[in-house]
Amino acid sequence: DAKTTQPPSMDCAEGRAANLPCNHSTISGNEYVYWYRQIHSQGPQYIIHGLKNNETNEMASLIITEDRKSSTLILPHATLRDTAVYYCIVRVAEETSGSRLTFGEGTQLTVNP
Amino acid sequence: DAGITQSPRHKVTETGTPVTLRCHQTENHRYMYWYRQDPGHGLRLIHYSYGVKDTDKGEVSDGYSVSRSKTEDFLLTLESATSSQTSVYFCAITTPGQNNEQFFGPGTRLTVL
Repeated sequence: DAKTTQPPSMDCAEGRAANLPCNHSTISGNEYVYWYRQIHSQGPQYIIHGLKNNETNEMASLIITEDRKSSTLILPHATLRDTAVYYCIVRVAEETSGSRLTFGEGTQLTVNP
Repeated sequence: DAGITQSPRHKVTETGTPVTLRCHQTENHRYMYWYRQDPGHGLRLIHYSYGVKDTDKGEVSDGYSVSRSKTEDFLLTLESATSSQTSVYFCAITTPGQNNEQFFGPGTRLTVL
C-alpha cells in the first residue's frame, strides 16, 4: 500500500470548515483513498473513501486531485465532537485477503469553541 | 458497532504469564483482524483471519498467536507476555459490499508489569 503524509496537528474553529490534507504521491491506479478517524480511546471509525472522483456523504467530503497524488478531507461545519485523530489510508479495495489497513500517524484535529 | 465485543476490556498481568484476548462478533463476518496501538501512534496489524481456521500474519506478529475455531470468535494469545506488549488491542471486522470498510471493537487495554 502507498505511504501517506499528513500534518501532525491542526486546529479549527467550531462551525467552520475543517480541511485536512493528505499526500500520497506513490499511489497506484487501483488504490483507493480511505479516511478514518479515532476519537480518544475509541476504535477508529470509517468516514469516506474514493478512487478518483470527489465524494460526499453525510459526514464529510473528499476531494482528490486530478493526478491523485493528494487529497483533502473536508468537514463542512466542524463541531467539538469532531475533535479526533484523522487517518488517511491508501489501499487496494478488492484484495482477496480482506481489507487490511496500514495506519500512519494521522492528524490530530482540535476543534475549538 | 457491527456487533463486536472484546473481552476483557482491561487487564493487568505480569511478565511471563500467558494472556488471551477474545473478539466476538454476532453478524457472521468472514474477515477479522487484531491490531495494537501504542501511545501517540496509529494502529498496527498483528494477525488477521479470512475464515474459520484460516489466519495470517500482519506486520507485528512476533510474540502473538491467534486462533479461529468458529466464525464468531477470534482469539489473540500472548504466550509469554512482555512489557513491550503493553498496549491497547483493537479487533476489527470487514463488512462486505462496496465500501469494504472496517468496523472496530471498543479495545482492550493490556498492561504487562
